[in-house]
Amino acid sequence: NAGVTQTPKFRVLKTGQSMTLLCAQDMNHEYMYWYRQDPGMGLRLIHYSVGEGTTAKGEVPDGYNVSRLKKQNFLLGLESAAPSQTSVYFCASSLMGGNQPQHFGDGTRLSIL
Amino acid sequence: AQSVTQLGSHVSVSEGALVLLRCNYSSSVPPYLFWYVQYPNQGLQLLLKYTSAATLVKGINGFEAEFKKSETSFHLTKPSAHMSDAAEYFCAVSDPWGGATNKLIFGTGTLLAVQP
Repeated sequence: NAGVTQTPKFRVLKTGQSMTLLCAQDMNHEYMYWYRQDPGMGLRLIHYSVGEGTTAKGEVPDGYNVSRLKKQNFLLGLESAAPSQTSVYFCASSLMGGNQPQHFGDGTRLSIL
Repeated sequence: AQSVTQLGSHVSVSEGALVLLRCNYSSSVPPYLFWYVQYPNQGLQLLLKYTSAATLVKGINGFEAEFKKSETSFHLTKPSAHMSDAAEYFCAVSDPWGGATNKLIFGTGTLLAVQP
């Protein structure tokens, strides 16, 4: 069972460069999420999607864009990377319903120099 | 605004001792509550969830949590710690104003160390 797969696992960027993080899930989940994890701050929601073709802003959306062209994929883009975006990024997915747990990928460790 | 507070960013116990990790939430309506565990260099894994059935919830790896509405708490316990329990633990609450989004609000985490 693959579950939620994130690529790449590690990346180092220079300030101003752009990149896209890919999240793929094979559980047929409607909902998908992108979080960033920083020391002492828990997980903060960047963007989320409640279905193919839909996206919405979370708690910390500035500097990021997302797309969900296919139900199984959720892409997170950094148009012009900044050192403040150095973080560990997690993708998650879930079934519909507030009592449904979210399933997480193993994360992407991103450093911006 | 909805929030989750985890008291103690670091907790250290001896192997075989009781584990108690604290979580308090703020919500005007009964929420759904979750505990997740994160091992080094891995994603979050669900330990257990409360969804308004029994107030005492049993999870994986011998963990359990009790929902106490009067105290707005959902503390995580394990009777006897094992070395393999060393990890970071996150409490999360569903956003009651999030609509049909299943958004979660996470606490800042508690790093559990288990001493031999």
